[in-house]
Amino acid sequence: EVQLVESGGGLIKPGGSLRLSCAASGFTFRSYSMNWVRQAPGKGLEWVSSISSGSSNIYYADSVKGRFSISRDNAKNSLYLQMNSLRAEDTAVYYCTRGDCTGGLCASDYWGQGTLVTVSS
Amino acid sequence: DIQMTQSPSSLSASVGDRVTITCRASQGISNYLAWYQQKPGKVPNLLIYAASTLQSGVPSRFSGSASGTDFTLTISSLQPEDVATYYCQKYNSDPLTFGGGTKVEIK
Repeated sequence: EVQLVESGGGLIKPGGSLRLSCAASGFTFRSYSMNWVRQAPGKGLEWVSSISSGSSNIYYADSVKGRFSISRDNAKNSLYLQMNSLRAEDTAVYYCTRGDCTGGLCASDYWGQGTLVTVSS
Repeated sequence: DIQMTQSPSSLSASVGDRVTITCRASQGISNYLAWYQQKPGKVPNLLIYAASTLQSGVPSRFSGSASGTDFTLTISSLQPEDVATYYCQKYNSDPLTFGGGTKVEIK
């Protein structure tokens, strides 16, 4: 069974940093692209970032480019999102998702339960 | 960037009705279009990918089609468990933009 478990969310002041993690199990992690998708309270889905299976292709939404950094450790079956210079508008549930391809641009066929990031003073 | 315009933003229909949701891309995206269902308080679930391929385990009353830059999600016979918000997403190139969502309710 595919499982994606996010951690690292919480309350953080504007300008602060946070690192989200996603522990993957139940599939060959190194063979799949991975994504972060977020959802602000009461709002729609927003794609944040994608990384290909071997980390050679990395993509970011303009809203986070230069502030967020996606990475993965295939030996640890883990995905990460380093978030710096956080703003109030980054407040959202952050979902880790599996992409159904290797290259980084694909649909998300499995989703974690999400971790809430709240940016507030 | 390519914009994804989803319509309607909400709809109310009776059980058994045929429901259609549309997503229009501002430029061609071939068939790189996915549809997701998000039930209230739940995690999104992939329904359809490649514009018309049903994800494993998804009921056959759901279907997807494409005509140029217009994409359609159809529920052939609306069921109470289909109450949800539906999103399209393009994935031909970054950014992997989602549509604004369509909230489906039972009349």
